[in-house]
Amino acid sequence: DTGVSQDPRHKITKRGQNVTFRCDPISEHNRLYWYRQTLGQGPEFLTYFQNEAQLEKSRLLSDRFSAERPKGSFSTLEIQRTEQGDSAMYLCASRDQLRTYFGPGTRLLVL
Amino acid sequence: GQQLNQSPQSMFIQEGEDVSMNCTSSSIFNTWLWYKQEPGEGPVLLIALYKAGELTSNGRLTAQFGITRKDSFLNISASIPSDVGIYFCAGQTGTASKLTFGTGTRLQVTL
Repeated sequence: DTGVSQDPRHKITKRGQNVTFRCDPISEHNRLYWYRQTLGQGPEFLTYFQNEAQLEKSRLLSDRFSAERPKGSFSTLEIQRTEQGDSAMYLCASRDQLRTYFGPGTRLLVL
Repeated sequence: GQQLNQSPQSMFIQEGEDVSMNCTSSSIFNTWLWYKQEPGEGPVLLIALYKAGELTSNGRLTAQFGITRKDSFLNISASIPSDVGIYFCAGQTGTASKLTFGTGTRLQVTL
């Protein structure tokens, strides 16, 4: 399978804990995106990388969120001191010249 | 965050019927995309539109990029049970090529 992959697919954590998600984009894509999707809504943009450089961050990305793409390949999204409002599906996407392709998402539940 | 206006919100149709849904925005986009999402999965790209007025087909799916660049519609002909899911429009703009999604149309197909 050469699509976008994400790990884990599901995560349940207690409020206050830190969580980290991983995304492996399609190998030749140099653009990588993180989106968040809450129940009943469409995905919302969080942040964007071109190679290893993080070029844009949404206001949705609070100080507790940090994303990295150290070698311009896979990316991680960390949420520190999780809150119940962080419960959502976190989607990673990568892009070729024309189109954006999404991974299966990591569903986070904060208890 | 901003979400595009998508209608209808949900549709219940019989197998074999045609379906039409649309998406409007107060902003101009230079690309419109239509995605389908099934429970627990990420959005899957169905059709991409790159020029105002463009009409594009993908099998039983037909989509158009509105002349004003502020709207798009998607038609599904002769629906089948596997068409069930949530359909999202997305507008793309800017150097980051980030996507702004609609609120989704939930499609149910009955036999």
